[in-house]
Amino acid sequence: NAGVTQTPKFQVLKTGQSMTLQCAQDMNHNSMYWYRQDPGMGLRLIYYSASEGTTDKGEVPNGYNVSRLNKREFSLRLESAAPSQTSVYFCASSEWLSGTTNEKLFFGSGTQLSVL
Amino acid sequence: QKEVEQDPGPLSVPEGAIVSLNCTYSNSAFQYFMWYRQYSRKGPELLMYTYSSGNKEDGRFTAQVDKSSKYISLFIRDSQPSDSATYLCAMSGNYGGSQGNLIFGKGTKLSVKP
Repeated sequence: NAGVTQTPKFQVLKTGQSMTLQCAQDMNHNSMYWYRQDPGMGLRLIYYSASEGTTDKGEVPNGYNVSRLNKREFSLRLESAAPSQTSVYFCASSEWLSGTTNEKLFFGSGTQLSVL
Repeated sequence: QKEVEQDPGPLSVPEGAIVSLNCTYSNSAFQYFMWYRQYSRKGPELLMYTYSSGNKEDGRFTAQVDKSSKYISLFIRDSQPSDSATYLCAMSGNYGGSQGNLIFGKGTKLSVKP
């Protein structure tokens, strides 16, 4: 069972280049997320998708776009990369914690992105 | 003031020590309190969660919530080198997760020396 799979694992971009980070989950989860993790800043939510066909902004959406391609896949696009977007990006999906109104997140292994 | 404060460490302890990891928060609406563990170059994984106040124990791990003080703790007994990781606290109101309402602390990096 692969869980949440992210590609690529590493990427170096020049300022102004564009790229798409891919994410797929095989757990039949409705909700998916994109986070970035920076030293001293912790995990910050970029975008999330509560279900197929819907997306919503998180804490730090500027400079990013997302696409919920289907229930399995949720991609993150950087249209014009900037050095401030150098970070580790994590995709996650979630399921309800039994008997609660909260969810457990399952994370991928991350994409380390450097923008020069 | 950030909604969730967590000392980033690093924290280094000898094998067998009792470890205490802590977070404070300011939002009294938080009801769910979670601890995620993140090994180097991996994504976080849920370790424990508690609802409202009280304690929860799972093997060598104990999670405590003191809502009156807005303070949560994770205790690790008989710590092992395999516990070396970054520990992130996370909190939300009654509806977390898909509502995008889960707030993470910055994480505390723990190293357990043999």
